[in-house]
Amino acid sequence: KAGVTQTPRYLIKTRGQQVTLSCSPISGHRSVSWYQQTPGQGLQFLFEYFSETQRNKGNFPGRFSGRQFSNSRSEMNVSTLELGDSALYLCASSLALGDTQYFGPGTRLTVL
Amino acid sequence: DQQVKQNSPSLSVQEGRISILNCDYTNSMFDYFLWYKKYPAEGPTFLISISSIKDKNEDGRFTVFLNKSAKHLSLHIVPSQPGDSAVYFCAASAGGAQKLVFGQGTRLTINP
Repeated sequence: KAGVTQTPRYLIKTRGQQVTLSCSPISGHRSVSWYQQTPGQGLQFLFEYFSETQRNKGNFPGRFSGRQFSNSRSEMNVSTLELGDSALYLCASSLALGDTQYFGPGTRLTVL
Repeated sequence: DQQVKQNSPSLSVQEGRISILNCDYTNSMFDYFLWYKKYPAEGPTFLISISSIKDKNEDGRFTVFLNKSAKHLSLHIVPSQPGDSAVYFCAASAGGAQKLVFGQGTRLTINP
């Protein structure tokens, strides 16, 4: 069974731009979570989606948003990029809410 | 306010010996705990989990111990192998494996 896939793997943007990251969960998984990893803050929870609805949200500004489609694929969007948004963005999928999360390889975002 | 702490940034162990990684948490609402292993340029890989109704869970060479009164968990790897060299993260959550809160990670190096 294929794992969680994320595209693109690497991305370079400039301040003020916006970016959209994509995540395809493991087949049959219906819940998708997003995390941000930075050297200073470590791994931090962004949000979680299940059945196309956001079920949980972390402590991030409104510039960070996401959505989930009917096929469980998910996208996250960051608007008005700041230098501090440079990070590894990880997507994780699980069968349902509360089940073990399996992570993708991440998207490395660099904001210049 | 770091709710999950891994106080040892690094650990070096000889091949064949036991590796013990530690994790402390402060939030008494946490009832589910997981360990992930991470190689560079990859997403975290799920290793083992434990719910608060148990105090031990084993899976092959990996055993997780939970001491609820001390709010402490540990991961034992026996015997340690060179492929175990990676960064290990403990994670905690309330109400199943969702909205995970991660520790800062411990870099384990297995020496031949």
